Amino acid sequence: DTAVSQTPKYLVTQMGNDKSIKCEQNLGHDTMYWYKQDSKKFLKIMFSYNNKELIINETVPNRFSPKSPDKAHLNLHINSLELGDSAVYFCASSHSVEQFFGPGTRLTVL
Amino acid sequence: GNSVTQMEGPVTLSEEAFLTINCTYTATGYPSLFWYVQYPGEGLQLLLKATKADDKGSNKGFEATYRKETTSFHLEKGSVQVSDSAVYFCALRPPVSGGGADGLTFGKGTHLIIQP
Repeated sequence: DTAVSQTPKYLVTQMGNDKSIKCEQNLGHDTMYWYKQDSKKFLKIMFSYNNKELIINETVPNRFSPKSPDKAHLNLHINSLELGDSAVYFCASSHSVEQFFGPGTRLTVL
Repeated sequence: GNSVTQMEGPVTLSEEAFLTINCTYTATGYPSLFWYVQYPGEGLQLLLKATKADDKGSNKGFEATYRKETTSFHLEKGSVQVSDSAVYFCALRPPVSGGGADGLTFGKGTHLIIQP
């Protein structure tokens, strides 16, 4: 059984489009996260949700918006996509110290 | 703020060689420390962790010891294999606050290449 899953695995789209990436965890964790990994493999936290409340919002453009319909899901919506948004986006979840990561979504903006 | 510094690669070794990947951190208090591994085309897997000073995390022949005095968490393995080729990330999580929702701060990753 997959613990943290993301869809789609690959996403290719044009500049200016709006897209969403979905994340689901079946671990019963209270907290979920989104990370961005750039072309140099550098990973940075974007958002976290704890009990459906946004806890962290780093210096991320407001074109990015996390949406959590319930504790098991944290989706990432991106409006007006730009070339610089091309990256691999990872979802993660945690209950205490350890974080479990999804397989990633590779977003390519043309 | 919090930060993690690790040696940048690529690091190329022969099979059965001894591995050390250095990692140092800056943080207030006593963070939890982690090593994650990313195999080509895959997501991040937790390799090992340590949550307090002098703890030693170990898994699959890899070890790392939480050294508060030197703010370090170096990754070691006595005899590497070709299958260990991957990118290794050192990361920290601040001491858990009331909300407990702090994200991980990652180093830039070290690309390890093991040659037969």
